[in-house]
Amino acid sequence: GENVEQHPSTLSVQEGDSAVIKCTYSDSASNYFPWYKQELGKGPQLIIDIRSNVGEKKDQRIAVTLNKTAKHFSLHITETQPEDSAVYFCAASGNDKIIFGKGTRLHILP
Amino acid sequence: DAGVIQSPRHEVTEMGQEVTLRCKPISGHNSLFWYRQTMMRGLELLIYFNNNVPIDDSGMPEDRFSAKMPNASFSTLKIQPSEPRDSAVYFCASSPSRSETEAFFGQGTRLTVV
Repeated sequence: GENVEQHPSTLSVQEGDSAVIKCTYSDSASNYFPWYKQELGKGPQLIIDIRSNVGEKKDQRIAVTLNKTAKHFSLHITETQPEDSAVYFCAASGNDKIIFGKGTRLHILP
Repeated sequence: DAGVIQSPRHEVTEMGQEVTLRCKPISGHNSLFWYRQTMMRGLELLIYFNNNVPIDDSGMPEDRFSAKMPNASFSTLKIQPSEPRDSAVYFCASSPSRSETEAFFGQGTRLTVV
């Protein structure tokens, strides 16, 4: 079955700097890669997703890249703000199941 | 729509007791997922349903865990008997279709087994 690895587990960046979170997946049949943000006491919420026919997607300060050959995908957050502090999950899906990485706790330092 | 609704939000129970977690998916969504979240293991998929039918329960940890979806608007996850290692946050999520679409999560149920 699918296995998703996510790094780093914790990331601290200065406010205004960029943050990058990286994931790898194992199942070449996976073709949908969502990213979720989880705030304290809440369920994960989708922030951006990418499909396998696209290499990069951007939405304001957030961008995702996908390398299907290497089975890598990444989340980039630019000009980080305090409200970006949260846990971020990558996920992969291709056959009904959505399998998540273990999460990255992002701290934005003042 | 109010989103995915889970109840209770918090549950504290004694070891050996039966626990039932409830979920109301978003109306019109065909897929429903149960996840368990712990610090050590992250978000684990326990089971998912499509059109009320269980499709894959390979993530259910033991026979003590069971899940049902008697109709399109209700699902339960039951643990009997409960054990301290079952303590976690349990999330229900629903999705419009089987794959490649956003899953909408509920607020979760924080279960503590003492």
